[in-house]
Amino acid sequence: SQQGEEDPQALSIQEGENATMNCSYKTSINNLQWYRQNSGRGLVHLILIRSNEREKHSGRLRVTLDTSKKSSSLLITASRAADTASYFCALDADTGTASKLTFGTGTRLQVTL
Amino acid sequence: DAGVTQSPTHLIKTRGQHVTLRCSPISGHKSVSWYQQVLGQGPQFIFQYYEKEERGRGNFPDRFSARQFPNYSSELNVNALLLGDSALYLCASSRWAEAFFGQGTRLTVV
Repeated sequence: SQQGEEDPQALSIQEGENATMNCSYKTSINNLQWYRQNSGRGLVHLILIRSNEREKHSGRLRVTLDTSKKSSSLLITASRAADTASYFCALDADTGTASKLTFGTGTRLQVTL
Repeated sequence: DAGVTQSPTHLIKTRGQHVTLRCSPISGHKSVSWYQQVLGQGPQFIFQYYEKEERGRGNFPDRFSARQFPNYSSELNVNALLLGDSALYLCASSRWAEAFFGQGTRLTVV
């Protein structure tokens, strides 16, 4: 299965702490994208990392990709209560044009004050 | 620019009925994809359309169909609704490698 698997399934931290989520997969990919979802609403695109990249940053977000281990991680630094959401990794193993993404089951992040 | 817009936001239907969900992509995006997200799971790919042609289909029954119009907006149709079709239906548009999602349509089948 191409499906990504996020780990942990749920994570609870205090505001100001860092949160790390991992995504593992089984097949070759063109790129991997991370999304945030608040309370079952739409998905917000966070960051895309291509298969030839190892690390990308965007604000408080840092994403790494290890294609040899078929894994990616999303680090949120200095977390805030507003970061409380579900986070999904999405694999693009098709054309690389986001036409067909395969999602994992997500990590539910709870940030408490 | 407006993002991806979906309508309606919520819908309640009875088993056996038919439903049509609508999606308008981001201006300039010619590719539209549909996903189904059941509670507690990640989104599952249903269809992809590009330039009004179906370019991909997920593992869904023939009760599910879609089409894309000349203005690149799209409709997802589901016939003979089952209780198990209750889900959040998400539409995404893309131009290059990133997909941008709408807020979804919450379909409840009773």
